[in-house]
Amino acid sequence: QQQVKQSPQSLIVQKGGIPIINCAYENTAFDYFPWYQQFPGKGPALLIAIRPDVSEKKEGRFTISFNKSAKQFSLHIMDSQPGDSATYFCAAVSTSGTYKYIFGTGTRLKVLA
Amino acid sequence: DAGVTQSPTHLIKTRGQQVTLRCSPKSGHDTVSWYQQALGQGPQFIFQYYEEEERQRGNFPDRFSGHQFPNYSSELNVNALLLGDSALYLCASSLEGQRCADTQYFGPGTRLTVL
Repeated sequence: QQQVKQSPQSLIVQKGGIPIINCAYENTAFDYFPWYQQFPGKGPALLIAIRPDVSEKKEGRFTISFNKSAKQFSLHIMDSQPGDSATYFCAAVSTSGTYKYIFGTGTRLKVLA
Repeated sequence: DAGVTQSPTHLIKTRGQQVTLRCSPKSGHDTVSWYQQALGQGPQFIFQYYEEEERQRGNFPDRFSGHQFPNYSSELNVNALLLGDSALYLCASSLEGQRCADTQYFGPGTRLTVL
């Protein structure tokens, strides 16, 4: 019940395409869902996050869609660029506890020029 | 505004040895969490420190221990190293008592290789 399932494992898109990464969870106690971007040899960097009281959040070219009833959320990257090539992790957090992050397994994105 | 810093960047040890990794949280943050990230995997929660005490622990053996100092910096200690302990060790900091406490900021990590 503590798992977060992330798909796909890898993704290749052309420049300007809209890659979509999906995550699903089971624990209804999760109430905060951040996405992180990680480049090789670096720590994860926070991209965007959403709480379950909204169904969508946009920040620049990044959009999170959230479906509370299905317990699923996804990251969309608009007008993707080669510089977006990285590994993306979703996470789920229960903020009533000690904010232990449960991470997905990651999606390796490659954006072709 | 200094972000989360970790030292050392890289470390090579042999099986059975002990290692200490260090973390300084983002300025103004008081909570430190440690994660282990194996190659090609997502980070796995080790434990979290707040007010110099471990308050939550993930599924890691007692060989993994930690400490938080009065200035909020933290150390991760691993005893009796195994080959399987080779990973990127990440420190994340946050601020307790704020709604944004759920936002954790990660450091660059320490790459530990056990031979």
